[in-house]
Amino acid sequence: KAGVTQTPRYLIKTRGQQVTLSCSPISGHRSVSWYQQTPGQGLQFLFEYFSETQRNKGNFPGRFSGRQFSNSRSEMNVSTLELGDSALYLCASSLEGAGAVNEKLFFGSGTQLSVL
Amino acid sequence: AQKITQTQPGMFVQEKEAVTLDCTYDTSDPSYGLFWYKQPSSGEMIFLIYQGSYDQQNATEGRYSLNFQKARKSANLVISASQLGDSAMYFCAMREGYGSSNTGKLIFGQGTTLQVKP
Repeated sequence: KAGVTQTPRYLIKTRGQQVTLSCSPISGHRSVSWYQQTPGQGLQFLFEYFSETQRNKGNFPGRFSGRQFSNSRSEMNVSTLELGDSALYLCASSLEGAGAVNEKLFFGSGTQLSVL
Repeated sequence: AQKITQTQPGMFVQEKEAVTLDCTYDTSDPSYGLFWYKQPSSGEMIFLIYQGSYDQQNATEGRYSLNFQKARKSANLVISASQLGDSAMYFCAMREGYGSSNTGKLIFGQGTTLQVKP
């Protein structure tokens, strides 16, 4: 069974541009979550999608948005990029995403975004 | 407020020895889950082990075991017989309760970098 796939692996953008990251979950997984990882702030939850609907959201500005397609694939968009958006963006999938305490998240290898 | 603390930024261990990575947590919810993930230099977060707040026994998964001390709010990861491939960053994470506010959301600690020496 293929794992979580994220593309592209690396991205270089300049301030003010926008970027779209893609995530394909494990087959059969319906919940997709996104996380931002930086050396200073660590891993922070961005948002979670289930059945094409955003169900949960972290504390990030509106420049960060996402969507999920009917095949559970998800995209994350960041508009008007800032230097501080440079980070590893990780996508995770889970089976139901029902919020049960024991539900494991399966992560991809991430997209490393550098904003110049 | 829920919080995870990992006080060891970096650790060294000799190959074949055991090592303990510390994790303390703070929550007021009686129902919660604790997770450990490994992140090698490739970036992928790999699930290692899970412990539920109501679990009576400490979790074990192969060479990984979790020393769960509920009263102290600690969930330390023990890796036995360390291997060179264990060199990575290790994260402790928590999810509280059940419901829509927790879907997809884990709270992570700052991580511990483990280096295994040959």
